[in-house]
Amino acid sequence: EPEVTQTPSHQVTQMGQEVILRCVPISNHLYFYWYRQILGQKVEFLVSFYNNEISEKSEIFDDQFSVERPDGSNFTLKIRSTKLEDSAMYFCASSVAENEKLFFGSGTQLSVL
Amino acid sequence: GESVGLHLPTLSVQEGDNSIINCAYSNSASDYFIWYKQESGKGPQFIIDIRSNMDKRQGQRVTVLLNKTVKHLSLQIAATQPGDSAVYFCALLGGGGGFKTIFGAGTRLFVKA
Repeated sequence: EPEVTQTPSHQVTQMGQEVILRCVPISNHLYFYWYRQILGQKVEFLVSFYNNEISEKSEIFDDQFSVERPDGSNFTLKIRSTKLEDSAMYFCASSVAENEKLFFGSGTQLSVL
Repeated sequence: GESVGLHLPTLSVQEGDNSIINCAYSNSASDYFIWYKQESGKGPQFIIDIRSNMDKRQGQRVTVLLNKTVKHLSLQIAATQPGDSAVYFCALLGGGGGFKTIFGAGTRLFVKA
């Protein structure tokens, strides 16, 4: 069964450093998303991406965040200068269409020290 | 903005009993509702969905009920098993939230053997 894959599973970084979280969405999906989940809390929307551009973003997704689809398979989330409060589980998701269910990866646990 | 709420943060049931997890939403224009299951250390997994033109949908051991009049959604799990222990999120699309999926706070289901 096709799945969304994310790397790395864990990332530890120092405050102020840049991190790149990587995702390979399901191959025939056209819509890509990043969500985050702070421990014990709900899953929060960050950004949606379609046709090589951001279609929607939340207030969390400020100028420190960026997304990119550098080739035909990868979808990345970059945090330019990490803050302590960026520590969370980051989930990539994809869907076949914009009003369809999401398929999630297993997440990257980001710890900012 | 849209909000999604849950009635109980935790639910404990005996193995073999039926479980009912409830969810309330605020925007009557929401038109697509999804239940996700999240096991420890994993991303949310699709369980079942329902569109606003229906009020009931059944899957394997799971049933989703939608009451648009009172803006209420429920997930029923028949003959609950230990493997059902997880956090369950209701989520919705549409209704002014654009096409991003908005998640509720989650209910943790404990299944007692």
